[in-house]
Amino acid sequence: GQQLNQSPQSMFIQEGEDVSMNCTSSSIFNTWLWYKQDPGEGPVLLIALYKAGELTSNGRLTAQFGITRKDSFLNISASIPSDVGIYFCAGNYGQNFVFGPGTRLSVLP
Amino acid sequence: NAGVTQTPKFRVLKTGQSMTLLCAQDMNHEYMYWYRQDPGMGLRLIHYSVGEGTTAKGEVPDGYNVSRLKKQNFLLGLESAAPSQTSVYFCASGPGLWPQHFGDGTRLSIL
Repeated sequence: GQQLNQSPQSMFIQEGEDVSMNCTSSSIFNTWLWYKQDPGEGPVLLIALYKAGELTSNGRLTAQFGITRKDSFLNISASIPSDVGIYFCAGNYGQNFVFGPGTRLSVLP
Repeated sequence: NAGVTQTPKFRVLKTGQSMTLLCAQDMNHEYMYWYRQDPGMGLRLIHYSVGEGTTAKGEVPDGYNVSRLKKQNFLLGLESAAPSQTSVYFCASGPGLWPQHFGDGTRLSIL
């Protein structure tokens, strides 16, 4: 099946820094979504993107649907300790919906 | 508003035993999903349902069965547990083609 690649796999940043992560696929996607998972909990939907080029914000989070429709990006500005967790991209291609393997974010005080 | 509730939260089984994982949602969502999460592999869809009385296979359905007798409930069954089914299982619901709300997971170990 379709595989999503997320980069980086993990990252350590200082509190206050901005964060960028991305997700790529070999197929064209119709929607892109970003979820965050805190330790011991289920994923929480952060942002949903519906068309190529779309840029959507949710507080300090901004996500973009790539022009090629094969990638998406998530940026977090001015990171804080509660941003720690695993960030998953996901998306629809045809009738299928898949998750990426995640980017693990650690924020150092 | 409870959202998506999973029971049990933890379970240890012996190989060959059977069990049912329960999922309930109170948001009147049509779609419900069962995922398993293994280290480094993200979430993989086991089965899903697009409405009461319907079920469909996902990416990794072998060894599992599901039922959706009531709109608010989605049950995942393991008929004969195997060590390869050791995982964290998540139930989710949503109004459309992707999961919007997840439960907190069931941590299942098969010995």
